[in-house]
This record gives sequence, C-alpha cells and structure tokens, in this order.
Amino acid sequence: SAVISQKPSRDICQRGTSLTIQCQVDSQVTMMFWYRQQPGQSLTLIATANQGSEATYESGFVIDKFPISRPNLTFSTLTVSNMSPEDSSIYLCSVEDPLIGAFFGQGTRLTVV
Amino acid sequence: AQKVTQVQTEISVVEKEDVTLDCVYETRDTTYYLFWYKQPPSGELVFLIRRNSFDEQNEISGRYSWNFQKSTSSFNFTITASQVVDSAVYFCALMRGGSNYKLTFGKGTLLTVNP
Repeated sequence: SAVISQKPSRDICQRGTSLTIQCQVDSQVTMMFWYRQQPGQSLTLIATANQGSEATYESGFVIDKFPISRPNLTFSTLTVSNMSPEDSSIYLCSVEDPLIGAFFGQGTRLTVV
Repeated sequence: AQKVTQVQTEISVVEKEDVTLDCVYETRDTTYYLFWYKQPPSGELVFLIRRNSFDEQNEISGRYSWNFQKSTSSFNFTITASQVVDSAVYFCALMRGGSNYKLTFGKGTLLTVNP
C-alpha cells in the first residue's frame, strides 16, 4: 500500500486567485494522478504526473488552468489557477499501479467565493 | 472502452438491515482489477477492497462481503447489519492491467443508514 499526505484539507479562496495543493507519498512511485470531484459527482481524472516530464492532461483540462509539478518520485503539486466558483470541488491525488492498487490522499475541499 | 455502472444512485435503509450495492462493469481486457471505495462526508476516499480478474473468490471482511461474478460482469458489495457509520458514498472502480492502467469510476451510490 501507499500512504499519501495531502494538504490543505480545505480552503476558501477568492475568485481570481490560485491555490496549490500538495501531495507527499511515503514511497517512490512512478506516476501520480490528480482528480476533481464536483459536488455530487464522481471522480474525473485531471492529469497524470510523471517525474521528469510534463504532465499528461485529460480532455477538458489544460496546463494553464491546472499546472502540475512533479519534482521527485514522492511529491507532486496541483495548482488551480485564476479560480472561479465553478472550480469549487474536492481535489484528490492518488497513486495507482496494478501491482499495489490505488490509494488516495485525504482530499482538498475547495470553495471559491 | 472501460465502463462502470452503479445501478443504485441512492439507497436508504434502517439500521441493522442488510444492503447490497450493485456494480456492473464493461471491459475487453482479460486482466483487470476491481475496487470499492467508501467516501464519508469528510471527502476522503477510503480503500475497501481490490480484486483481480483471475480471482473470483468471494471475500468477507467483518460485516462487508463482495461477490465477484465474471459471467455477469458484476462486483457487488453487501453490508450486513448496517450501522449509521456506514452512511457514505460508495464507489466501484475498474483498472486495466498492463501499462495503460487508469481507473474508471462508477457514479457512486449514496447509502444512508437511519437509526
């Protein structure tokens, strides 16, 4: 298994500002994943983050809005840029691998006002 | 393409009732993995079980049990003698084997257990 520490756990932000979410894993992993969960909805994959290369974004998500860093094999950040109320969601990072399964951080509950 | 369907959107039961959450999946892969997660109101996603496609044995963990049937592409989850603390959203998910192993989630089932 993998233990993931995600922070902040929640935040209330003003529209137009940016928030950076951090995830720290207790072991080295090749890929990390970032998800958005809008209110009452399921999880939607934003991007896959590989160490040493640019993140791969899913359809509907762009780097300018959700820049991701992956400076080493245990850490990643997701920034939600120029926020609007529509960005109010839970954001989750995960570690996924067929050999170990899929484990998630505690989630960041973001409210944009 | 992978697809996961959770038949029930919401279920409401009274404490001590048994409840089954249904999950039906679609995949063309022969190697795949199935998961169940619990999401309480706090928002974290709690891992419950992982099952690979070659292991059809049912599993029991305390009050929780899972029934995996490849013939019907189903991976159902039963809570026996439900408790108020079981109230949460439950997600079923599918992961492909191999190198392209993204998770596909169902839409979730909101379970409310009333005292």
